[in-house]
Amino acid sequence: DQQVKQNSPSLSVQEGRISILNCDYTNSMFDYFLWYKKYPAEGPTFLISISSIKDKNEDGRFTVFLNKSAKHLSLHIVPSQPGDSAVYFCAASAMIYNQGGKLIFGQGTELSVKP
Amino acid sequence: GAGVSQSPRYKVAKRGQDVALRCDPISGHVSLFWYQQALGQGPEFLTYFQNEAQLDKSGLPSDRFFAERPEGSVSTLKIQRTQQEDSAVYLCASSPTRRADTQYFGPGTRLTVL
Repeated sequence: DQQVKQNSPSLSVQEGRISILNCDYTNSMFDYFLWYKKYPAEGPTFLISISSIKDKNEDGRFTVFLNKSAKHLSLHIVPSQPGDSAVYFCAASAMIYNQGGKLIFGQGTELSVKP
Repeated sequence: GAGVSQSPRYKVAKRGQDVALRCDPISGHVSLFWYQQALGQGPEFLTYFQNEAQLDKSGLPSDRFFAERPEGSVSTLKIQRTQQEDSAVYLCASSPTRRADTQYFGPGTRLTVL
């Protein structure tokens, strides 16, 4: 039972354009969401997060949108750069677990930004 | 270095061997997590420590897996009698608080069981 789903295994965009990565979740108890970026042979690197009390959070070129009614979040990267090429993971946690907030991850989307 | 470190980075074991994987979290971080990442998948939760207390071990796949954090800092994940299906990357993460918060990951240990 996949509680967090990233339905696109890969995405290719042109440098300078917008990259949009999508994530769906099923557990309505999730109240904290994160995006991580992963390069080969490295651990996931934190990018941006959003609490369920917000619907948007922005940090430089990265913006995360949360649509609670649709149980959907997305990561926008504008403008996309070749260095953004990596695997992006969506993750969710729930305060109700009350045990430090273990993360439930999606399967990842591999982003390729072409020069 | 201020980040999470893990050792060894790579481990090859023969089936049936015991292995021990080490995690050094960010200094002062209260929470420590272990995840298992199979090829082409996202990380999956194994176990969680708050200081030295193991509060959640619901993700450990079998009783061959054991984790400890005796002094609330360094943690060790031990796998006894390794099987081929244990081959994966084992990731450690730490977090500064006791609640849902940003987790900072180490580089992982890639375990290959032959």
